[in-house]
Amino acid sequence: EAGVTQSPTHLIKTRGQQATLRCSPISGHTSVYWYQQALGLGLQFLLWYDEGEERNRGNFPPRFSGRQFPNYSSELNVNALELEDSALYLCASRSFANTGELFFGEGSRLTVL
Amino acid sequence: DAKTTQPPSMDCAEGRAANLPCNHSTISGNEYVYWYRQIHSQGPQYIIHGLKNNETNEMASLIITEDRKSSTLILPHATLRDTAVYYCIVRVSGGSQGNLIFGKGTKLSVKP
Repeated sequence: EAGVTQSPTHLIKTRGQQATLRCSPISGHTSVYWYQQALGLGLQFLLWYDEGEERNRGNFPPRFSGRQFPNYSSELNVNALELEDSALYLCASRSFANTGELFFGEGSRLTVL
Repeated sequence: DAKTTQPPSMDCAEGRAANLPCNHSTISGNEYVYWYRQIHSQGPQYIIHGLKNNETNEMASLIITEDRKSSTLILPHATLRDTAVYYCIVRVSGGSQGNLIFGKGTKLSVKP
């Protein structure tokens, strides 16, 4: 069974540009979570999607947005990139039926120059 | 979700048991204890979780005190590949619950 897959693995952008990151959850999983991990820091919760709806978002500005598609895959968009947006962006999925453990992808490393 | 407190770092000799403590004195009756770990630059990996009974799986054992205010993750025979940041998280279980809140975790260094 394939795990959570994320693309691209690495992405380099310049200030002011937009970045789009993608996530495919484990088959059968309906919830997708996005986390940001800046270098040397902990995981900061960004967004939670379930059944196509945004359920919760962390303390991030509106230029961080996303969506979940009917096949439960998800996209994270970051507009008007700033240098401090450079980080590892992690996606995780969770089945509604299980007891709450999240399964993480390997992340997308975004570098803003 | 209840707050957790973990030591920032620990060392362990290869082949010995690694015992990682976690305090969660404000845990509620319906909150589970979850452990994850993150090996450098990889996505976090689920290890184990429990409510009040001790739990064991192929990766680790989880010992929860009777009052549930603290727990210990035990890696019985640590290897160099167990070097990672270990996160203890408490939250309500179930599919309708929201995000996990990760603290700073414990950086475990397994040394030869």
